[in-house]
Amino acid sequence: DTAVSQTPKYLVTQMGNDKSIKCEQNLGHDTMYWYKQDSKKFLKIMFSYNNKELIINETVPNRFSPKSPDKAHLNLHINSLELGDSAVYFCASSQDRRGAEQYFGPGTRLTVT
Amino acid sequence: KQEVTQIPAALSVPEGENLVLNCSFTDSAIYNLQWFRQDPGKGLTSLLLIQSSQREQTSGRLNASLDKSSGRSTLYIAASQPGDSATYLCAVRRNDYKLSFGAGTTVTVRA
Repeated sequence: DTAVSQTPKYLVTQMGNDKSIKCEQNLGHDTMYWYKQDSKKFLKIMFSYNNKELIINETVPNRFSPKSPDKAHLNLHINSLELGDSAVYFCASSQDRRGAEQYFGPGTRLTVT
Repeated sequence: KQEVTQIPAALSVPEGENLVLNCSFTDSAIYNLQWFRQDPGKGLTSLLLIQSSQREQTSGRLNASLDKSSGRSTLYIAASQPGDSATYLCAVRRNDYKLSFGAGTTVTVRA
């Protein structure tokens, strides 16, 4: 069984569109994360939720809006997509917010044309 | 701001050689440090998690050390195999629980 899953795996869209990426974890973890990995492979945290509460919100354009309907799901909605949004987006989860081991999803490769 | 540096950026070794991967961080007020492996086109797989109070962690052929005062961690992989070829990332969690990743070391083990 997949512990942390993301859909879709690939997403190709045009500038100006709005798109969503979904993430689900079946590990019973309290904390979930969104990361962005750019073309240079550098991984940066974007958001973190703990029990549906936003606890980390890094410097991310407000075109990006996370939503956590329950603690097993954390979705990422992106408005007015730009070329610079092209990257691989990873979802992750951990047992708690304080520093438990993180488990990553397979990633969603977003290409904006 | 926590900055995490991994040296070297790339490493190529013959099979059987031991690997030494370095990670340095600028702020020693850390909560823990985690080493990951990333295969091309895949997500990250956790290898080892070292709490700030620990000096090292071991799992099979992998050993990670942590020297908080000097801002360094080292991942040792003994008797490397071609299957160890991947990018290895270290991530530092600060006391405010925010995370910073290094850019990674890409390892190639030649058969």
